[in-house]
Amino acid sequence: GQNIDQPTEMTATEGAIVQINCTYQTSGFNGLFWYQQHAGEAPTFLSYNVLDGLEEKGRFSSFLSRSKGYSYLLLKELQMKDSASYLCAVRVSESGGSYIPTFGRGTSLIVHP
Amino acid sequence: DVKVTQSSRYLVKRTGEKVFLECVQDMDHENMFWYRQDPGLGLRLIYFSYDVKMKEKGDIPEGYSVSREKKERFSLILESASTNQTSMYLCASSSGSGWVEQYFGPGTRLTVT
Repeated sequence: GQNIDQPTEMTATEGAIVQINCTYQTSGFNGLFWYQQHAGEAPTFLSYNVLDGLEEKGRFSSFLSRSKGYSYLLLKELQMKDSASYLCAVRVSESGGSYIPTFGRGTSLIVHP
Repeated sequence: DVKVTQSSRYLVKRTGEKVFLECVQDMDHENMFWYRQDPGLGLRLIYFSYDVKMKEKGDIPEGYSVSREKKERFSLILESASTNQTSMYLCASSSGSGWVEQYFGPGTRLTVT
């Protein structure tokens, strides 16, 4: 099976930088995703990493180390609207050729003024 | 804009009833997914489909079945609803065999009494 770990909750201050970590243990790893989910809403896609290194997209960056089974999501210049749950997910390739997503339990980020 | 719609936002059913949850996407996506989301447990994959009439079990298929007769529609069926199936159900779709982003519907909050 797949195992994905991320902290349950984090708090940070408006304007600051926060790093949300995600570790995983999977077989057939084929990519890692980060999603944002505001309370009462559907998850929305933030980033995708399949190779090692940093992917930057505006205020958000995501890093992957496949050898360590580790990723982080970095949020810069935090805004109040960044208060949300951040979901780490991995995609694994199955023997039949399909790709299966598995999500972590999510990290609830609270941004204080 | 990709649109994924679900038949109901809120649904209340009695134990033992047969329940149908419908999901429709308008972007000709090959892949469709059903998840349930529970506090502390995150998103868990129930079933997915990568083509019409194709279905694959996810992590928690027990007590559920699915139907995909048309490309745009993916139905989740609870054959005999039980109280432990009270949950938020989320449908998602994605494009292509090497899909990256999943697009989620707004969710159906199902309560089984």
